[in-house]
Amino acid sequence: DADVTQTPRNRITKTGKRIMLECSQTKGHDRMYWYRQDPGLGLRLIYYSFDVKDINKGEISDGYSVSRQAQAKFSLSLESAIPNQTALYFCATSKQGGTGELFFGEGSRLTVL
Amino acid sequence: DAKTTQPNSMESNEEEPVHLPCNHSTISGTDYIHWYRQLPSQGPEYVIHGLTSNVNNRMASLAIAEDRKSSTLILHRATLRDAAVYYCILRDLSQYNNNDMRFGAGTRLTVKP
Repeated sequence: DADVTQTPRNRITKTGKRIMLECSQTKGHDRMYWYRQDPGLGLRLIYYSFDVKDINKGEISDGYSVSRQAQAKFSLSLESAIPNQTALYFCATSKQGGTGELFFGEGSRLTVL
Repeated sequence: DAKTTQPNSMESNEEEPVHLPCNHSTISGTDYIHWYRQLPSQGPEYVIHGLTSNVNNRMASLAIAEDRKSSTLILHRATLRDAAVYYCILRDLSQYNNNDMRFGAGTRLTVKP
């Protein structure tokens, strides 16, 4: 089983709908992240969380919100999806301290029509 | 995090060494150099990291210039499975509360049989 699990893996939705992408991890890491990947642009950080009570904006947080329900769970919400939010979304974790190595999930492909 | 510059793409023949360059001329003294790779349809995975000295692990070697303004990821014998996008990232671990690891577009490595 994957250490970092994302659901759903694929989702097609319509403009204006609310969407939630969920991430759960079994690595016991404190830190969790949401990234977005668009073709040719690499990965861009949306939000990150150092622990259950900590939420931080990344470089492209507009239009997104997050919730850290537990140490192992970090969800990303699009309150009103728009077509330019069509992308591949990755959740990642890392442990506090150390070298900051990130462990990624397999990605959630979102299409907004 | 400081910016890195990588070639958009590179090609290699199978079973030959591959040298993937990365320029980071504005690197600070506390920046670690991290490399990740992203295989097709997967999330990125950690490859190697270093600070000043060259590093080796089971996946690759990292050669760091004496002035630290550039580094090279070395795959000693490329296989078809090494075809991926390789990301070079700087990570300032002195900024303990800034865990913002930003990925650029990376280098797409093609391995020819």
